[in-house]
Amino acid sequence: DADVTQTPRNRITKTGKRIMLECSQTKGHDRMYWYRQDPGLGLRLIYYSFDVKDINKGEISDGYSVSRQAQAKFSLSLESAIPNQTALYFCATSKAGTGWSEAFFGQGTRLTVV
Amino acid sequence: AQSVTQLDSQVPVFEEAPVELRCNYSSSVSVYLFWYVQYPNQGLQLLLKYLSGSTLVESINGFEAEFNKSQTSFHLRKPSVHISDTAEYFCAVGPRSGNTPLVFGKGTRLSVIA
Repeated sequence: DADVTQTPRNRITKTGKRIMLECSQTKGHDRMYWYRQDPGLGLRLIYYSFDVKDINKGEISDGYSVSRQAQAKFSLSLESAIPNQTALYFCATSKAGTGWSEAFFGQGTRLTVV
Repeated sequence: AQSVTQLDSQVPVFEEAPVELRCNYSSSVSVYLFWYVQYPNQGLQLLLKYLSGSTLVESINGFEAEFNKSQTSFHLRKPSVHISDTAEYFCAVGPRSGNTPLVFGKGTRLSVIA
């Protein structure tokens, strides 16, 4: 099984619908992240969480919300999806502490808003 | 705050030819530097990292990158590429102290041509 699992892997939804993307990890890491990937724009940070009680906005949080249900689970919601939220979404985790810690990524969720 | 510029969005190269993917960064604090690779339909995985010590770092599959503090660069090189190196490559920067997440460049798509 993958260390960082994202569900669903692919989703098509209609404009205005609420949608949730889920991420779970078995790494035992405290820190979790949601990134969005668009062609030519690289990865942009949406939200991140350093522990269960900590939620922080990233570069492009408008239109998104998150929930850290447990250390291992971090979900991303689009309250009212719009076409320009069509993108590839990645969840990532890293270990807490001082110094460097490698980020581990899920396989991504491809979301299409029509 | 940190920023990363990847100077080439696409790099086509013939098999067995050398390649260089360029990365420049900007930061007001000392940083760690990374290259991540994304193979088709997969998440990102760490390719190599510069934390401290020797400015030349190597990966297990023949890539190397050199940290150049004066030029604020961390270019990725490989003397002879294979078809299997076709992927998107992301340069990333993170602060040595503090708790801000990694900042990624926009990516360089390496296409190896037979």
